[in-house]
Amino acid sequence: DSGVTQTPKHLITATGQRVTLRCSPRSGDLSVYWYQQSLDQGLQFLIHYYNGEERAKGNILERFSAQQFPDLHSELNLSSLELGDSALYFCASSSRGGPYNEQFFGPGTRLTVL
Amino acid sequence: GENVEQHPSTLSVQEGDSAVIKCTYSDSASNYFPWYKQELGKRPQLIIDIRSNVGEKKDQRIAVTLNKTAKHFSLHITETQPEDSAVYFCAATSSGSARQLTFGSGTQLTVLP
Repeated sequence: DSGVTQTPKHLITATGQRVTLRCSPRSGDLSVYWYQQSLDQGLQFLIHYYNGEERAKGNILERFSAQQFPDLHSELNLSSLELGDSALYFCASSSRGGPYNEQFFGPGTRLTVL
Repeated sequence: GENVEQHPSTLSVQEGDSAVIKCTYSDSASNYFPWYKQELGKRPQLIIDIRSNVGEKKDQRIAVTLNKTAKHFSLHITETQPEDSAVYFCAATSSGSARQLTFGSGTQLTVLP
């Protein structure tokens, strides 16, 4: 158990809908990262938040947005869903207490768009 | 930005043999190189990492080497066991405020009993 929690574990929805994925980082971690992993694909970095502020954006679609709240949990919002958005979505957290970026992943949310 | 290439994409070895996975990176400012293991349907888990001020690091049957000049790093698994079967991802991160991980495309390792 990495200490990072994600809900829900599974999500099935229809095209055009909107969903929200939730992530709680490890206790004390200030950074949250979101990744998308499609079938047979590697991990694609989406977005990084540090202590409530957006720090970096990767391959995140305009239909996707995220935020990190004062209690440091984060939410990833996916709207106007398409079949191709079906994937595993992971969040990871890190402390940034040192100069190196050690990330700990949550169990993921499996999104299925029908 | 950083680009990480990983080879091979699939690797099959006999139990007890060694496995080697190689990665190259493009950003000379990268200073941290973790390796993650991901079993089917589960989270990626950090198994070992190396920092740019170190050339080699070992942890039991796992070792990682880094060649900063050539900008490549490798994962070595000795005495492989069936439970080593998984997808392995290398990654690189540069210094600075962003510190995002760029992952390789993954290697599916299968250890045959």
